[in-house]
Amino acid sequence: QKEVEQDPGPLSVPEGAIVSLNCTYSNSAFQYFMWYRQYSRKGPELLMYTYSSGNKEDGRFTAQVDKSSKYISLFIRDSQPSDSATYLCAITDSWGKLQFGAGTQVVVTP
Amino acid sequence: NAGVTQTPKFQVLKTGQSMTLQCAQDMNHNSMYWYRQDPGMGLRLIYYSASEGTTDKGEVPNGYNVSRLNKREFSLRLESAAPSQTSVYFCASKSGGDLKNIQYFGAGTRLSVL
Repeated sequence: QKEVEQDPGPLSVPEGAIVSLNCTYSNSAFQYFMWYRQYSRKGPELLMYTYSSGNKEDGRFTAQVDKSSKYISLFIRDSQPSDSATYLCAITDSWGKLQFGAGTQVVVTP
Repeated sequence: NAGVTQTPKFQVLKTGQSMTLQCAQDMNHNSMYWYRQDPGMGLRLIYYSASEGTTDKGEVPNGYNVSRLNKREFSLRLESAAPSQTSVYFCASKSGGDLKNIQYFGAGTRLSVL
């Protein structure tokens, strides 16, 4: 069993809808929680990071962490076709290693 | 503002051939990483270098070797390519002392082994 589980999708939504992405993890020692965005044929780029339970907002993006449930989420409000990409959750363990989820492909249709 | 640069962008090899994937970063980062990305598998760490002069195995090191040539450059070598090594390879770098482990990625090398 992988330490970080993520539904690969694809997830297709109409423009303007809220996109909801989730990951679960098994190791309670995980410390930092990140979301990377990867456009087709490009490298991953950091979107957001957080280290505590609760919500963190950045424009249309909200990252949510629930350490008690070992569950992290990313919400994209007012989704745009330019948000179409693969979103990867990534978590840093106590040894400083980064563990990635498999990535969820999101398609926002006009 | 180049960041992490990988060469080549694409490569086709025959089984048994060798090649070296090159990676260079201009952000003065101490740590560098090589990952492979396969459908449904996410990013898997092949090797990493915490600092110049050191290298360590990651999750899937078999069939690969690495060289940390200097602080800027970290190369990945396939000595005898196999079809199972068909993948997209990403190089990444990280600033030393960054507990968050935020890594910056190159654009990738798409490798096909026939």
